[in-house]
Amino acid sequence: DAGITQSPRHKVTETGTPVTLRCHQTENHRYMYWYRQDPGHGLRLIHYSYGVKDTDKGEVSDGYSVSRSKTEDFLLTLESATSSQTSVYFCAIGTGGEDTQYFGPGTRLTVL
Amino acid sequence: GNSVTQMEGPVTLSEEAFLTINCTYTATGYPSLFWYVQYPGEGLQLLLKATKADDKGSNKGFEATYRKETTSFHLEKGSVQVSDSAVYFCALTLYGGSQGNLIFGKGTKLSVKP
Repeated sequence: DAGITQSPRHKVTETGTPVTLRCHQTENHRYMYWYRQDPGHGLRLIHYSYGVKDTDKGEVSDGYSVSRSKTEDFLLTLESATSSQTSVYFCAIGTGGEDTQYFGPGTRLTVL
Repeated sequence: GNSVTQMEGPVTLSEEAFLTINCTYTATGYPSLFWYVQYPGEGLQLLLKATKADDKGSNKGFEATYRKETTSFHLEKGSVQVSDSAVYFCALTLYGGSQGNLIFGKGTKLSVKP
């Protein structure tokens, strides 16, 4: 299995509070991705990174920001959490292009 | 735009039954196609992939053939087991798209009964 960890694995928070999710890899892959998984929607891309300090928006980026200060870490921040951001968040890593992506175990976030 | 459509679930089968999960795609370029599987409480794992037309991906008894003429990548297995119960996602990424973003279908939940 690819070395990807996510923390925390579960979080319950209140509307309006900031939340940061962490993805850590030990594979030295260039690309890292954040997806959210919701019933009836499959997985949708939030943001991705193609190198240290290089990030770009995905399909559902509103309300989220990301940072990548080291190759191994990719942080997803909800500046002010809303109930619509209740979801399961998955981090993935890859080499880009048509290559396979490897997924972390996920973080279940509940915003009350 | 680029999109993936897969059959709605849930799909319930008896052990040793034949499985087909339909997947069709729309793409502006030349996609690579993937099937990912998600077991309960876990992240997604790559099940199989195909990178060009007429390629067949296979793994763990599952197969899928990249059909450009019908823009399809249907997943099949000849004899399912209870342990195959999971959610299956069809996905594409575009060759030449440097970021390699995956575009997913909505997923099909498979339940296999003993």
